[in-house]
Amino acid sequence: GAGVSQSPSNKVTEKGKDVELRCDPISGHTALYWYRQSLGQGLEFLIYFQGNSAPDKSGLPSDRFSAERTGGSVSTLTIQRTQQEDSAVYLCASSLTSGGAIEQFFGPGTRLTVL
Amino acid sequence: DAKTTQPTSMDCAEGRAANLPCNHSTISGNEYVYWYRQIHSQGPQYIIHGLKNNETNEMASLIITEDRKSSTLILPHATLRDTAVYYCIVRPSWGNKLVFGAGTILRVKS
Repeated sequence: GAGVSQSPSNKVTEKGKDVELRCDPISGHTALYWYRQSLGQGLEFLIYFQGNSAPDKSGLPSDRFSAERTGGSVSTLTIQRTQQEDSAVYLCASSLTSGGAIEQFFGPGTRLTVL
Repeated sequence: DAKTTQPTSMDCAEGRAANLPCNHSTISGNEYVYWYRQIHSQGPQYIIHGLKNNETNEMASLIITEDRKSSTLILPHATLRDTAVYYCIVRPSWGNKLVFGAGTILRVKS
């Protein structure tokens, strides 16, 4: 079946602009995660959604970052007033549920470059 | 989350077994050991996980010591396509996020 998809695959923007990154999880997966991978920081957790529960936003680096998940499926990560340090690969993952011995399936990522 | 320690890099000859070690000396009784890998320019890929017993699947084997303070991922017949960064992660059964360290860069050479 189809895996996790993300769009766009690449995004170049100017400093100060807002960007939206999209994630389509695997159908039926109730848990969705956002991570980012930058050269200086490695792979870091950003935010997690599980069903209708309040999201775990503990990894968001600033209030310029937000995410929503509509209808328990598609998710959008929004970065407002982008800065050069936001340049990174943003990865989305989904899993059948959360907790337990559950594997996460990752998408190919969106490479964001802030000029 | 418990921390893991892995060698920075390893080389392996094509066709030979690749043995990737991981130390997790502070692991708790309810924490699983997971292995993921990331091939260049791709998202991380799940390989295997275990709690106490050794595990095997079509990709690899996971050997966990009796005291659970360390583990070894074994790729039985490494190929060039196995060249990747391998991450060892410990995560509680109720956990959600994965905490990635620096991982081990495995280079499979012909």
